[in-house]
Amino acid sequence: QKEVEQNSGPLSVPEGAIASLNCTYSDRVSQSFFWYRQYSGKSPELIMSIYSNGDKEDGRFTAQLNKASQYVSLLIRDSQPSDSATYLCAVNKAYGQNFVFGPGTRLSVLP
Amino acid sequence: GAVVSQHPSRVICKSGTSVKIECRSLDFQATTMFWYRQFPKQSLMLMATSNEGSKATYEQGVEKDKFLINHASLTLSTLTVTSAHPEDSSFYICSAIGQYSGNTIYFGEGSWLTVV
Repeated sequence: QKEVEQNSGPLSVPEGAIASLNCTYSDRVSQSFFWYRQYSGKSPELIMSIYSNGDKEDGRFTAQLNKASQYVSLLIRDSQPSDSATYLCAVNKAYGQNFVFGPGTRLSVLP
Repeated sequence: GAVVSQHPSRVICKSGTSVKIECRSLDFQATTMFWYRQFPKQSLMLMATSNEGSKATYEQGVEKDKFLINHASLTLSTLTVTSAHPEDSSFYICSAIGQYSGNTIYFGEGSWLTVV
């Protein structure tokens, strides 16, 4: 079992819809969780971090964490074509050294 | 967020030569830096992890003599691709984390290497 798993996609949603991206992780001691967005040909950029169970909202983005289920998700409301990118889930088991990235989910928002 | 700068953004070199890529943390001290390689339409592949002042830890299958990593200061790490070959052509990305980066990894802009 991979440490961090994501559906590779592509996930296609129409413009204006809610895009839901999911990520599961295997190590229960994981403490910090991150979502990065990577446009084609560019390096990843941080979207959100979440550390506690529940929801965290930032603009059109909402991260959801459920440590009991070892599950973290990212919701993108009012999806725009400019949101089309690969979304990487990252998990940090302990401070600094144990950062693990998922393979990424490719999102396509259709005009 | 914190800023990580990578240079050069694009480089073309001849087969058999060496090329150096720099990664700098501009507004925080990077205790740990990571180097990745990414081929088109593929996932990030971690090559090595470097801590300031110590030798880098390479992932399995990555040749440490070919990909030389130096992390001599808390703000600078370098990756040198030695005796480059066309199959080394790829997108190389660094990232950094430090005490004041909020327990978060920040990425450099990436460097496109083309070996001809």
